[in-house]
Amino acid sequence: EVQLVQSGAEVKKPGESLKISCEGSGYIFSNYWIAWVRQMPGKDLEWLGMIYPGDSSLRYSPSLQGQVTISADKSTNTAYLRWSNLEASDTAIYYCARGVLVPATPFDYWGQGTLVTVSS
Amino acid sequence: DIQMTQSPASLSASVGDRVTITCRASQSINSYLNWYQQKPGKAPILLIYAGSNLQSGVPSRFSGSGSGTDFTLTISSLQPEDFATYYCQQGYHTPYRFGQGTKLEIK
Repeated sequence: EVQLVQSGAEVKKPGESLKISCEGSGYIFSNYWIAWVRQMPGKDLEWLGMIYPGDSSLRYSPSLQGQVTISADKSTNTAYLRWSNLEASDTAIYYCARGVLVPATPFDYWGQGTLVTVSS
Repeated sequence: DIQMTQSPASLSASVGDRVTITCRASQSINSYLNWYQQKPGKAPILLIYAGSNLQSGVPSRFSGSGSGTDFTLTISSLQPEDFATYYCQQGYHTPYRFGQGTKLEIK
């Protein structure tokens, strides 16, 4: 059974750093994209970027402008989303999702989401 | 960037109704369009990929059509479990933007 299991909720202060994780199981982790999708409170879905663990290819949303870093560790089947300087506007639920290597790169499996709260 | 516009933003319908949601891309995306369903407090679920392909396990009352810039998601006969928010998403060029969502509510 394919599963993506994300790390637990986080409460941080502005300026702090954070790294959340997404562990894949039940499939060959290196052969699928892992995307990160943000959902701010009461808002729609926003694609942040994605990584192909097989060769570490990366795609980012231009709107992020270096605010986050995506990485993956093939040895542990885990992808990461990292911030070095959190802002209150980063408060959101963050989902990881598996991207299939077919036309349109659909995201067929999703993690349960990680709630990140940034507040002073 | 390719912008995605969904309509309507919200929709009230009854069980058994046929419902259509529209998604328009700001430029041609061939058939590289996916549809997702999201219920409150849950992760999205893939319904349709590449315009018209039904994801495994998704009921056949869901269907997708379109190519180029204009796409539709149709639910042929609404069931109680279908009341949710629906998103389109282009998979043609990164950033893979989503539409703003269509909230389907019970009339």
